[in-house]
Amino acid sequence: NAGVTQTPKFQVLKTGQSMTLQCAQDMNHNSMYWYRQDPGMGLRLIYYSASEGTTDKGEVPNGYNVSRLNKREFSLRLESAAPSQTSVYFCVSLGLNTGELFFGEGSRLTVL
Amino acid sequence: QQQVKQSPQSLIVQKGGISIINCAYENTAFDYFPWYQQFPGKGPALLIAIRPDVSEKKEGRFTISFNKSAKQFSLHIMDSQPGDSATYFCAASTEGGATNKLIFGTGTLLAVQP
Repeated sequence: NAGVTQTPKFQVLKTGQSMTLQCAQDMNHNSMYWYRQDPGMGLRLIYYSASEGTTDKGEVPNGYNVSRLNKREFSLRLESAAPSQTSVYFCVSLGLNTGELFFGEGSRLTVL
Repeated sequence: QQQVKQSPQSLIVQKGGISIINCAYENTAFDYFPWYQQFPGKGPALLIAIRPDVSEKKEGRFTISFNKSAKQFSLHIMDSQPGDSATYFCAASTEGGATNKLIFGTGTLLAVQP
């Protein structure tokens, strides 16, 4: 039981490049999320997906797109990376009927 | 709009001491208040959570105190240990947590000195 697995763990991009962060969970959870973590800002919600086939914007969605490929997988895409998107990104799933969030180990992205 | 305010930003405690982290919220509809613990290089993990029908919840050395009228809740770590050194996030949501709108505080970096 791996929980929430996200790749890559580290990535350096140049301004304007694109990339996709991949995420998969094996806990049969319905809801999945992408958060970003920045010093002094806490954890901010980028996008979420309440179920397969649905996605909604969170607090900071600008510059990002997501795809809920199936129940297990939820990807985050940066179409044209900007230095302001330098951050640590977490893929998260919500436990069934518990309210507990399960986090991946994070993807550290640097945009030069 | 910051709906959950957390303090202090950082905290240094001696081994064996009590660590106290405070959070205040604005939305009276919040009814689920978890604390998450994050070690360096890892994702946050649920530590303990409380619902407003009780004023205190204790799990081992960790206690949440909840004051509904003041709209405040706090985490107390008794007999703090170096292994407790981590970042702690408070959070709040509605619908008992079974919702997509969990609002996090900005985090407290705790260092427990041996």
